[in-house]
Amino acid sequence: GQQLNQSPQSMFIQEGEDVSMNCTSSSIFNTWLWYKQDPGEGPVLLIALYKAGELTSNGRLTAQFGITRKDSFLNISASIPSDVGIYFCAGRERNYGGSQGNLIFGKGTKLSVKP
Amino acid sequence: NAGVMQNPRHLVRRRGQEARLRCSPMKGHSHVYWYRQLPEEGLKFMVYLQKENIIDESGMPKERFSAEFPKEGPSILRIQQVVRGDSAAYFCASRPGPPTYEQYFGPGTRLTVT
Repeated sequence: GQQLNQSPQSMFIQEGEDVSMNCTSSSIFNTWLWYKQDPGEGPVLLIALYKAGELTSNGRLTAQFGITRKDSFLNISASIPSDVGIYFCAGRERNYGGSQGNLIFGKGTKLSVKP
Repeated sequence: NAGVMQNPRHLVRRRGQEARLRCSPMKGHSHVYWYRQLPEEGLKFMVYLQKENIIDESGMPKERFSAEFPKEGPSILRIQQVVRGDSAAYFCASRPGPPTYEQYFGPGTRLTVT
């Protein structure tokens, strides 16, 4: 089935650095969502995007819905230790006749602290 | 407003037993989704339900797996005759309905089959 390509797979951050990650698909999406998951917990919704070109912020997090509707980006500015975790992109594919609302997830970007 | 509740948080079953996972959506949410997550993987869609209806079960194995969301009470994901390969984290998510498609997740049930 459809899969999202999320990159990078992992990255190390130093406190204060800016972080960028992205997600791409081979088909058009109507909705992009970004989640963060801590170990042993469920994903927590960070940002939701509904329109191509939309740029939305949530504190130090900023996400964009790509103009082509096939990609999305998440930036974290001035990272802090509690930003560590796994970030997932998720999208709702535009389809005709299929059920509404199902999300397709990327495999995640794991943020760790630089040793 | 309480979030999505799932129980149990951890479930250990021997091969061949049944596993029943429960999910209570957020108040006012009538759409429920079940996802499965393997270690180091993203979440894979299993089934989408509204009250008393299965809308899409295309991600759920045809055998041994079933789901329901009755008029009263939580949504149930049932796995019969569990096998080791069923070991995973199972997450439930809910949303209120169109036009919003934001899904809110519960803490998950970690199933271990021994």
